[in-house]
Amino acid sequence: DVKVTQSSRYLVKRTGEKVFLECVQDMDHENMFWYRQDPGLGLRLIYFSYDVKMKEKGDIPEGYSVSREKKERFSLILESASTNQTSMYLCASSFQGPIETQYFGPGTRLLVL
Amino acid sequence: KQEVTQIPAALSVPEGENLVLNCSFTDSAIYNLQWFRQDPGKGLTSLLLIQSSQREQTSGRLNASLDKSSGRSTLYIAASQPGDSATYLCAVGRGADGLTFGKGTHLIIQP
Repeated sequence: DVKVTQSSRYLVKRTGEKVFLECVQDMDHENMFWYRQDPGLGLRLIYFSYDVKMKEKGDIPEGYSVSREKKERFSLILESASTNQTSMYLCASSFQGPIETQYFGPGTRLLVL
Repeated sequence: KQEVTQIPAALSVPEGENLVLNCSFTDSAIYNLQWFRQDPGKGLTSLLLIQSSQREQTSGRLNASLDKSSGRSTLYIAASQPGDSATYLCAVGRGADGLTFGKGTHLIIQP
């Protein structure tokens, strides 16, 4: 079974803090993705990565950065957390190729105060 | 820019009914279409993936169809059960660039 794990299920941070969300997959997938999910807006793509040290902006990259130093790990970084980044963050991974299923982690619910 | 719309936004039906969830998309140049299930506070579980060259996929009581030219997909659930209660999400594949999601249909199956 494919397993995508996220470091925290719930996180509470203060405005201005630097926040790291970690995602690890165990299926040797080339592609990894970060989405955020908000009521009324659905899931939106923040960043994705095709390979180690590669990163591409998604639809809403502002205020975020990412790091992929190892194939199995993809980190989302909030350089200076703001209240409008309070959200559910979902990580996903897939094999390379446009027809591959994406597998999602359980999500991290982040509250920025 | 691709837009994905799901109708209805919410649906409540008695147990045992067959039901159809609808998904439409604005750009027919898609690689695939996926249907996911999401339980409250949880991640997404992939239900069915239809490649752009396919017309339908089936898994158990679920059947998904794809009409790329008209920009539509349907998810058919046969003999619904209370355990089917969840939010169902349709997502269009943009190649390796991730997925574009609809806002989901919140389904409640009444025992």
